[in-house]
Amino acid sequence: GAGVSQSPSNKVTEKGKDVELRCDPISGHTALYWYRQSLGQGLEFLIYFQGNSAPDKSGLPSDRFSAERTGGSVSTLTIQRTQQEDSAVYLCASSTHGSRGGLETQYFGPGTRLLVL
Amino acid sequence: QKEVEQNSGPLSVPEGAIASLNCTYSDRGSQSFFWYRQYSGKSPELIMFIYSNGDKEDGRFTAQLNKASQYVSLLIRDSQPSDSATYLCEHGYSSASKIIFGSGTRLSIRP
Repeated sequence: GAGVSQSPSNKVTEKGKDVELRCDPISGHTALYWYRQSLGQGLEFLIYFQGNSAPDKSGLPSDRFSAERTGGSVSTLTIQRTQQEDSAVYLCASSTHGSRGGLETQYFGPGTRLLVL
Repeated sequence: QKEVEQNSGPLSVPEGAIASLNCTYSDRGSQSFFWYRQYSGKSPELIMFIYSNGDKEDGRFTAQLNKASQYVSLLIRDSQPSDSATYLCEHGYSSASKIIFGSGTRLSIRP
């Protein structure tokens, strides 16, 4: 595809349920990033993948959050036992190499708007 | 103190004037700064990045970095209503595990 895609675009769930968010990066991009953006706030960095591996998972808010990436392409962010404070827009971005970490231009997807009732 | 600080605004600027957006940071180990524009309900899009002290110009946009004073600015000349958006400052490190965004400044260009 031409850009980063994310699905679903919107997700409404009940407190306590698990949700799975998907990100499909730009073809050939090695690095993939997940962020969370609460209403009116900046971006909160969650996790970064270089290929299939995540060197640092310390940005994940709690152990209810996990992420994986397979085949160096699609990534899935899973939130277990969702809470109301998890409501936010979850943004995914990708960059060419990732070897330079945060020094590369990131291309963002449209985001998944999660609402936990 | 937050690692990256931006005035949340809103900053109101008349059409045609210069809009000045500022970002201060606390970590002198930073290596790069990125400015993103985010329209309401949309995802961020990159405007400019700057690594070196001084000014960097691209069309109507100028990024200014002052490492000694630990601030980075974005100037928008000849402001247009389409420039109305939230502007996010990103502080990049060589380790991607430490990507820090400011909370953003909301800019409003009034006709």
